[in-house]
Amino acid sequence: EVQLVESGGGLVQPGGSLRLSCAASGFTFSSYAMSWVRQAPGKGLEWVSAISGSGGSTYYADSVKGRFTISRDNSKNTLYLQMNSLRAEDTAVYYCAKQGVGELPEDAFDIWGQGTMVTVSS
Amino acid sequence: QSALTQPASVSGSPGQSITISCTGTSSDVGGYNYVSWYQQHPGKAPKLMIYDVSNRPSGVSNRFSGSKSGNTASLTISGLQAEDEADYYCSSYTSSISVVFGGGTKLTVL
Repeated sequence: EVQLVESGGGLVQPGGSLRLSCAASGFTFSSYAMSWVRQAPGKGLEWVSAISGSGGSTYYADSVKGRFTISRDNSKNTLYLQMNSLRAEDTAVYYCAKQGVGELPEDAFDIWGQGTMVTVSS
Repeated sequence: QSALTQPASVSGSPGQSITISCTGTSSDVGGYNYVSWYQQHPGKAPKLMIYDVSNRPSGVSNRFSGSKSGNTASLTISGLQAEDEADYYCSSYTSSISVVFGGGTKLTVL
């Protein structure tokens, strides 16, 4: 069964850091681009970042550029999101999502994790 | 990158058909055939319903269909059922090498 399981969410103070993880199973992880998508409470979906299958190419939304870093460990079938300088507006459920085999984040998100909640508050 | 424009809400009776629009620009919806649609029930993760404008993933009912004209994509649900009541989001790849979502549409089955 194809599955994505996020972890690492929690409560963090403004200016703090957090690292999210997404464990993948049931498919050849290294072949696929992956993304992080977030959803603030009661709001819509917002794409955050993407990474190619090899990990050699990364892409970011302007709202997180310079603060967040996406990475992957294909030997562990795990995707990461390092979040620094967190702000209240980063409060959201963070989903990891599987994309296609291309280098660019052009393909649809065909598999989603259950999400992990990040709350930025003092 | 501005969000794609969707109606905030649509409604229909069981058995009817509804269409949800998704308007962008020539830099996203109009420029690429990488438009997809997602269904999200309360408290659940989104589910892919349509990809590449008009393709259905395996397991998605053929009551769901997608199309595009110019800068506007559309999702049509025919033969509405109670279980279709959910939020629906469109998304598109953009010329900025990013992905943009629509604001979401709440579908109510009357």
